[in-house]
Amino acid sequence: QVTLKESGPGILQPSQTLSLTCTFSGFSLSTYGMGVGWIRQPSGKGLEWLANIWWDDDKYYNPSLKNRLTISKDTSNNQAFLKITNVDTADTATYYCARFNYGSPPFDYWGQGVMVTVSS
Amino acid sequence: DIQMTQSPSFLSASVGDRVTINCKASQNINKYLDWYQQKLGEAPKLLIYNTNSLHTGIPSRFSGSGSGTDFTLTISSLQPEDVATYFCLQHNSGTWTFGGGTKLELK
Repeated sequence: QVTLKESGPGILQPSQTLSLTCTFSGFSLSTYGMGVGWIRQPSGKGLEWLANIWWDDDKYYNPSLKNRLTISKDTSNNQAFLKITNVDTADTATYYCARFNYGSPPFDYWGQGVMVTVSS
Repeated sequence: DIQMTQSPSFLSASVGDRVTINCKASQNINKYLDWYQQKLGEAPKLLIYNTNSLHTGIPSRFSGSGSGTDFTLTISSLQPEDVATYFCLQHNSGTWTFGGGTKLELK
């Protein structure tokens, strides 16, 4: 059974660094073709793809945010991470992680999402 | 960067209606277009992948078509439980892009 769960700070101040963790089970990021992505959604708005990390540590970022994003993984603990530097109120959103895999549908399993608020 | 333009943004239809939602890519994305359904307060759920493949457990009233730059999600007979927001996603390249979404309501 595949599950993913996001965790984060809840609230942080402008200019700080947002650190998010995706803890998953039912698959391994050391398996050929596997990957985890991060997606966010401001309240009442659309989905924005942020970044993907593949089993071989290949990484891709949303070009509009690339300078502020860092995605990484801890294969032994079944976790993926996303850091966003220099946050401001526009980064207030629900953040999701989701699984993808070569030869399988992309983002077939999602976490429940974690709400992050940037406020002074 | 590949941009995805989804239309309409809002759609009101009656139970039993045939509903179509469109996504247009700014460049050729081959078949790599997926559709997600998001109900209020929930995470998105995959409906269709690679243009026209129905994900496991999804009712057959949902279907997808298209190629290249123009894609369509069709609900053949709208049901009350289909009220949701629908998003397309292109995954043709290393960087992926969502469409802006279509909010579907019952008339």
